[in-house]
This record gives sequence, C-alpha cells and structure tokens, in this order.
Amino acid sequence: GESVGLHLPTLSVQEGDNSIINCAYSNSASDYFIWYKQESGKGPQFIIDIRSNMDKRQGQRVTVLLNKTVKHLSLQIAATQPGDSAVYFCAENKRGSNYKLTFGKGTLLTVNP
Amino acid sequence: DAGITQSPRHKVTETGTPVTLRCHQTENHRYMYWYRQDPGHGLRLIHYSYGVKDTDKGEVSDGYSVSRSKTEDFLLTLESATSSQTSVYFCAITGDSMNTEAFFGQGTRLTVV
Repeated sequence: GESVGLHLPTLSVQEGDNSIINCAYSNSASDYFIWYKQESGKGPQFIIDIRSNMDKRQGQRVTVLLNKTVKHLSLQIAATQPGDSAVYFCAENKRGSNYKLTFGKGTLLTVNP
Repeated sequence: DAGITQSPRHKVTETGTPVTLRCHQTENHRYMYWYRQDPGHGLRLIHYSYGVKDTDKGEVSDGYSVSRSKTEDFLLTLESATSSQTSVYFCAITGDSMNTEAFFGQGTRLTVV
C-alpha cells in the first residue's frame, strides 16, 4: 500500500513463500499500470504491466491483479527468492496525461533465507 | 537493457551554483523524463519532453529547467542549487506507442552543501 510519512511499507517473507504487494490508486481515469522493482543503488526496472481492460496478467513467477471497482492493484510473486528483495513501485498512466507515469511510494520486500 | 546513460553519476555542489545533469539515450525514443527520488516520496516527475524542443512541467518543477535540442539528449539544470534539491535524479524514456513501460537510467546522486 501507500506509505505514510517517511517510512516505506515493508513486507518480510521467507524464501519459497508467495509474496503479495498492494497498491492503491486514486484516479479512475488511469488506464495503464506498471510494476517496477528497484534494487539498492539502481534505477527502477520493469516487471509487468496491465491495461485497464484486463483484471489479471501473468508473467514468469509474477501475477498482477487489477480491481478497478476499488482502484486496487496487487503484485504476486510466487516462490519468493532472496534476489527478489527490493523496493517495488506501482505506476499509473492517466488517460490524457501525455504519457506521464505517476508512481506510488513503494514497498520494501525483504526475503529471509 | 535500454540504452540510457546519465552523467554524472555522483556530484557534490555548493548552494547557489548552477548544475546540469545529462541524460543520453540511444533508443531514438520520443519521450524523456526527469524524476527525483526522495525517502517517503517515491519518484516525482520534474519535467518531461515529448519531442525535440517540446517540454512540459511535472509536479515538482520549481527551481529546475530542461532543454532538449536533439532526440538523444535531455538536460536538467538546477539554476541555483539549494539543499532541498539534494536527491537522486533518474532519467526515463518511453516509446511512441500508447501505454508502454518507461525505462530508467542508473540515477545521479546529487548533494548540495
């Protein structure tokens, strides 16, 4: 979910467990959503995207779910690995925004071996 | 990885001095963006460009200017650096199709003392 103040939401899981990272968006006109992964000292990297005419999309070990009714997005990571430890951001592209992406504040995922 | 290079990667400058950050891409993408990343705020859009000499403001544009004289380069200038502009700056590019992911550079860590 979204962060409050200076602290990122955090999620700590055991290696091999499934992870679910949540994101709420505010603009019902948003029509494209992306999940990014950011490792320490690096730029964000694309993971998976979904368009508003879909409610689910699957990639390799990742699934994105979109619930437009409650304006909620989630990223599910199957069989989480230590290399999945990172900050995860959701981003939305609002219709008519001239390709501008708006980012959430991120969630820190820590995978314990 | 998309061909995006940011320079410099690290810079320390004094309050009141002008600073220019460079973003160079080899993908011939039309859209380029400058974001800043601060704890608790995620990625916030400073300025973006939708073509050569075509730029527009983002949500945190005060104190920054940009220029795009050719497709491959997008420059961000802090006209008179302040301590509040200490941050990590990321450049991003997107392709010309609607609803495509943004690719990010490695970031520039700027410290204003």
